[in-house]
Amino acid sequence: ETGVTQTPRHLVMGMTNKKSLKCEQHLGHNAMYWYKQSAKKPLELMFVYSLEERVENNSVPSRFSPECPNSSHLFLHLHTLQPEDSALYLCASSETSGGSTDTQYFGPGTRLTVL
Amino acid sequence: GNSVTQMEGPVTLSEEAFLTINCTYTATGYPSLFWYVQYPGEGLQLLLKATKADDKGSNKGFEATYRKETTSFHLEKGSVQVSDSAVYFCAAGGTSYGKLTFGQGTILTVHP
Repeated sequence: ETGVTQTPRHLVMGMTNKKSLKCEQHLGHNAMYWYKQSAKKPLELMFVYSLEERVENNSVPSRFSPECPNSSHLFLHLHTLQPEDSALYLCASSETSGGSTDTQYFGPGTRLTVL
Repeated sequence: GNSVTQMEGPVTLSEEAFLTINCTYTATGYPSLFWYVQYPGEGLQLLLKATKADDKGSNKGFEATYRKETTSFHLEKGSVQVSDSAVYFCAAGGTSYGKLTFGQGTILTVHP
C-alpha cells in the first residue's frame, strides 16, 4: 500500500467503550498528525508527533490518548467518549514537522459515532 | 496565530462555468498557502500550494496566486466539470511543527 492508511474506516462505540484508531504512513515521513473534522467546523489539529515525540497537544481532553510507537504508525486511543466527539478523525503525515512549506498527506479518515 | 477565511458556500455551478472560491488569511509573516480538496468519503488531498508572495500554484486546471498586498489566495478554474464536485479547503502553514490552519471549507457542486 502507498500513502496514508487508516483503520477502521467506520467505528460506532458506546460512551463506556475503549477503542483505538490506527494510522500508518508508507511515505518515509518523520511527522504525523491527528485532526478532528466535525460538521460545519474547521478542521481542528489535535496532536503533532515529530520523530515519535509529541510536540503539540492542542488542549485535547484526556479521553483522547495518542501513541506513536515509530515514525510510520500513529494511534489514537479512545475511552469514555461523549456524543459530541462523533466526527471524522483524519491522520496526516509530512516529511518534517519544522517547515511551514511541507505538504501534509492525509488518510481517508475514520468516521466515529459515539452513542 | 494564523487564521483563514473562505467564502461561504455552498457553491453550485453548471458544467463549464468559471469558478472562484475566495480565501483570505491573517498571519504573522508570510506563511505558505495551500488548497486542499476532499471528495466524498475521502481524506484531504493537496490541490496546489504557493510558498511565497506572487507565486502561482496550479494543478488540474485550478490556479491560485499568493497576493501579499491583499492577503489572499483565491482559487480559480476556467471551466469546471462534474467531477470537480467536492469540498475545498484553504490553509495557511504555520511557523512551527508544520501546523496548518484551515478555513471552514467550501462545498462545490457542479451540475451537468
